[in-house]
Amino acid sequence: AQTVTQSQPEMSVQEAETVTLSCTYDTSESDYYLFWYKQPPSRQMILVIRQEAYKQQNATENRFSVNFQKAAKSFSLKISDSQLGDAAMYFCASYSGGSNYKLTFGKGTLLTVNP
Amino acid sequence: SAVISQKPSRDICQRGTSLTIQCQVDSQVTMMFWYRQQPGQSLTLIATANQGSEATYESGFVIDKFPISRPNLTFSTLTVSNMSPEDSSIYLCSASPSYGYTFGSGTRLTVV
Repeated sequence: AQTVTQSQPEMSVQEAETVTLSCTYDTSESDYYLFWYKQPPSRQMILVIRQEAYKQQNATENRFSVNFQKAAKSFSLKISDSQLGDAAMYFCASYSGGSNYKLTFGKGTLLTVNP
Repeated sequence: SAVISQKPSRDICQRGTSLTIQCQVDSQVTMMFWYRQQPGQSLTLIATANQGSEATYESGFVIDKFPISRPNLTFSTLTVSNMSPEDSSIYLCSASPSYGYTFGSGTRLTVV
């Protein structure tokens, strides 16, 4: 069974600074995908970034980047130049292939951005 | 990626009644998923809905309580039946697997 662990229930960052959110996962599959989702108070789940396990290069989307350490089963999210609009709950999730396409979510990290 | 319209966005319901939540996808998708998110918690998968077959429910969720329909490749409904205050949650639908699992905007359900 897959597990996703986010060890930081809450984080805070000053506007314009950089923050890193941690995520570890466990899977026995060799082919899997990892995701970071953002959920602002509007409750809309927004895909921030995705990483395919077979790709060695870390995914990047504008101010968002990941540090994917496959051997350590670690998938952290770095937010650079933090903005007030980045304040949200962030969920790490994994999909480990198979025909059911189910996502496994971590418990989430609540990010506060201080002006 | 697909865009999902979810309705209603919120509702307040009396205990013992039922509420049906609808999700419409702007493109055909193979599978849709229904999640429950209790206050301050992560997402818990209720069931997976394939077109033309019965939904597959996760442990702890049963069809009598959460019947699901999937009449075509762009639409699905979830009914929360015989509601109790414990059913007060956010319910989200999702479609997969495009670039990265698109979600509806969620339904905030309060049972009084």
